[in-house]
Amino acid sequence: AQSVAQPEDQVNVAEGNPLTVKCTYSVSGNPYLFWYVQYPNRGLQFLLKYITGDNLVKGSYGFEAEFNKSQTSFHLKKPSALVSDSALYFCAVRDPEDTGRRALTFGSGTRLQVQP
Amino acid sequence: DTGVSQNPRHKITKRGQNVTFRCDPISEHNRLYWYRQTLGQGPEFLTYFQNEAQLEKSRLLSDRFSAERPKGSFSTLEIQRTEQGDSAMYLCASSATGRGSPLHFGNGTRLTVT
Repeated sequence: AQSVAQPEDQVNVAEGNPLTVKCTYSVSGNPYLFWYVQYPNRGLQFLLKYITGDNLVKGSYGFEAEFNKSQTSFHLKKPSALVSDSALYFCAVRDPEDTGRRALTFGSGTRLQVQP
Repeated sequence: DTGVSQNPRHKITKRGQNVTFRCDPISEHNRLYWYRQTLGQGPEFLTYFQNEAQLEKSRLLSDRFSAERPKGSFSTLEIQRTEQGDSAMYLCASSATGRGSPLHFGNGTRLTVT
């Protein structure tokens, strides 16, 4: 069964500093990996995804993530944090297309707090 | 693209009552998903439709829960004989059929069972 772990409940970073939000996964075969962000009282918004190809993927709002197959990780990064990046971040994994399964499995979320 | 629309935004009901939620996906998306999210947790998958066919159901989806997408457009999620443990945010999402197409989520329906 697929699973996702986000080991940090909260990450605190000063504005302008780089940020990393960690994610590790467990899935059979080659995974599809996603990051979503959730602002208060809002639905989840897609940030970026890894399907295949370059291990470094770029997404919305200056975020990027690095796929590391040997460490089964997909950490979210941003070179310079903004106060407006403060939100709840979710990593998610899905089985590849040929399995027929479409369900996304989400991690428990990491709250990012960026201090001015 | 008007986004995924969910109604109502909030629902308060008494234990034992039935409730129904509606989701209108992005019009060109033929995949539709229901998730449930409780405080401090990530969303949990409930069920998935491609067009009008319900193709996946989670074991979380007890026999009190039923979902439909009768014409492959909007969807409804009904909970019968609600229990306090059903209190949660119910999220709907839709996606295109391309490989790894991301899910687009609505703002959810918050259910409170008293």
